[in-house]
Amino acid sequence: QKEVEQDPGPLSVPEGAIVSLNCTYSNSAFQYFMWYRQYSRKGPELLMYTYSSGNKEDGRFTAQVDKSSKYISLFIRDSQPSDSATYLCAMAGGFKTIFGAGTRLFVKA
Amino acid sequence: ETGVTQSPTHLIKTRGQQVTLRCSSQSGHNTVSWYQQALGQGPQFIFQYYREEENGRGNFPPRFSGLQFPNYSSELNVNALELDDSALYLCASSRDLQETNEKLFFGSGTQLSVL
Repeated sequence: QKEVEQDPGPLSVPEGAIVSLNCTYSNSAFQYFMWYRQYSRKGPELLMYTYSSGNKEDGRFTAQVDKSSKYISLFIRDSQPSDSATYLCAMAGGFKTIFGAGTRLFVKA
Repeated sequence: ETGVTQSPTHLIKTRGQQVTLRCSSQSGHNTVSWYQQALGQGPQFIFQYYREEENGRGNFPPRFSGLQFPNYSSELNVNALELDDSALYLCASSRDLQETNEKLFFGSGTQLSVL
């Protein structure tokens, strides 16, 4: 069993839709939870990070962590074509970050 | 503030050869982590350097080795290249070990093709 499971998609939505991206994990030692966005032929860039259960909001993005269920989510409101990218969930504890496989998102204008 | 830079951007090698990839960390960052990203996969942790010492290693064989220099730039060396080593190699820096858990700043990577 992989430490982090993420549906690779692809996920295709119309512009303006609410997008929900999810990951599950198995290692209870993970204390930090991140979402990265990766455009084609670029390195990942950090979108959000949190270290507690609950919700964290930043503009159109909301990260949700449920440690009891070992489940994290990223919600994107009012999705834009510029949001088309691969979204990677990531988890850390002990200075090593483990990434999910990434979900490819396409937002159609 | 200069971001993370990697060189070269693309590289083609043949099986059995050796390769060295280079990374300049972001200004003020003393920790560098290397990742391998195969097509359609997430980045896989190779190893991490903190103040010139290896501080952790993923599930990669010893033919993957690295260095960190006093200016915190870093190299990744791969010996005896195999076809499966073809991937995007990413370097990420962070301000210190604690921030490694929270924020990694990535370069654009080196695309390695092994023929």
